Amino acid sequence: QKEVEQNSGPLSVPEGAIASLNCTYSDRGSQSFFWYRQYSGKSPELIMSIYSNGDKEDGRFTAQLNKASQYVSLLIRDSQPSDSATYLCAVNRDYGQNFVFGPGTRLSVLP
Amino acid sequence: DAGVTQSPTHLIKTRGQQVTLRCSPKSGHDTVSWYQQALGQGPQFIFQYYEEEERQRGNFPDRFSGHQFPNYSSELNVNALLLGDSALYLCASSRSWAGTEAFFGQGTRLTVV
Repeated sequence: QKEVEQNSGPLSVPEGAIASLNCTYSDRGSQSFFWYRQYSGKSPELIMSIYSNGDKEDGRFTAQLNKASQYVSLLIRDSQPSDSATYLCAVNRDYGQNFVFGPGTRLSVLP
Repeated sequence: DAGVTQSPTHLIKTRGQQVTLRCSPKSGHDTVSWYQQALGQGPQFIFQYYEEEERQRGNFPDRFSGHQFPNYSSELNVNALLLGDSALYLCASSRSWAGTEAFFGQGTRLTVV
């Protein structure tokens, strides 16, 4: 079992719809969770971080964490074509930057 | 405010050669980490530097080494290059060793032929 898994893509949604991206992790000791967006040929850009169970909202983005189920998700409301990118889930067991990244889910928002 | 900057942006090397990649962290950041991202995969953690010392290391061979300078900038060195070392090498910085939110540079695309 891979340490961090994400729903396989590509995921296509129409403009204005809600995009749902999922991530599961195997290490129960994981403490911090991140979503990065990566446009083709560019570097990852931090979108959201979440550390405790529940929802965290930032504009059109909502991260959800359920440590008991070892599951973290990202919802993008009112999806825009500019949201088309690969979304990377990253998990960290402790302090520091030794993140474990998932393989990413490619999202396409169709005009 | 300059973000994380990396140089060079692209590099082509021959198998067996050595390469040095450079990174300047975001202003106010003192911790630098390096990642390798193969095509179509997520980044893989190589190592982290803080106070000029390697603090954490991922599952990479000793051919991968690094350095951090007093001004917090960092170098990644890879010896005896293999074809499989071809990847995007990303540098990330954060405010402190314990800081978990990392900001990435634009990366160096290394091609080994």
